[in-house]
Amino acid sequence: DAKTTQPPSMDCAEGRAANLPCNHSTISGNEYVYWYRQIHSQGPQYIIHGLKNNETNEMASLIITEDRKSSTLILPHATLRDTAVYYCIVSDNAGKSTFGDGTTLTVKP
Amino acid sequence: GAVVSQHPSRVICKSGTSVKIECRSLDFQATTMFWYRQFPKQSLMLMATSNEGSKATYEQGVEKDKFLINHASLTLSTLTVTSAHPEDSSFYICSSDGGQTDTQYFGPGTRLTVL
Repeated sequence: DAKTTQPPSMDCAEGRAANLPCNHSTISGNEYVYWYRQIHSQGPQYIIHGLKNNETNEMASLIITEDRKSSTLILPHATLRDTAVYYCIVSDNAGKSTFGDGTTLTVKP
Repeated sequence: GAVVSQHPSRVICKSGTSVKIECRSLDFQATTMFWYRQFPKQSLMLMATSNEGSKATYEQGVEKDKFLINHASLTLSTLTVTSAHPEDSSFYICSSDGGQTDTQYFGPGTRLTVL
């Protein structure tokens, strides 16, 4: 699986959009970009995934650059409950996910 | 999304004992489940892939005789930590693809503490 690089931490004001970047410059053509988050002492939660088109669901939007070497997860209106570690993973098989260190997002009031 | 449960959520045991952790898919059939381990302040590490009706596939460095995996039905996979030691204390998490091929659903995790 391709490796990903994420900033270790980010802060965001409550109610504002949180934009979490991820670099995956070695991604191959059949690999998807997945985003999960983990709230302290819980199992990870699936957020969104995409191959090359931008995606949106009820939780977030995923913007993938045209060359697919990076992506951004957008939480449009961050709440305090969005404070978590966010993991960006690239894989051709959702099941065999290699987790990096992720980004610790802290949403502040 | 699909629901995956784990039992127990927390277990404390003495060194040398064995502990069984159950992972169940509640609303779908899980041909494949995955087991992860997470130490404090670290990321998740894939331990093994559990396949219904066949032997599990272990990641490099994971002792198959210490971490016994059984996937006897399409809704249940178990991980048994045999002869547990304090260094096995960790957060164990299972996941499944929910019957789909392009996403993954995680259980709530089991906190194991070995005294």
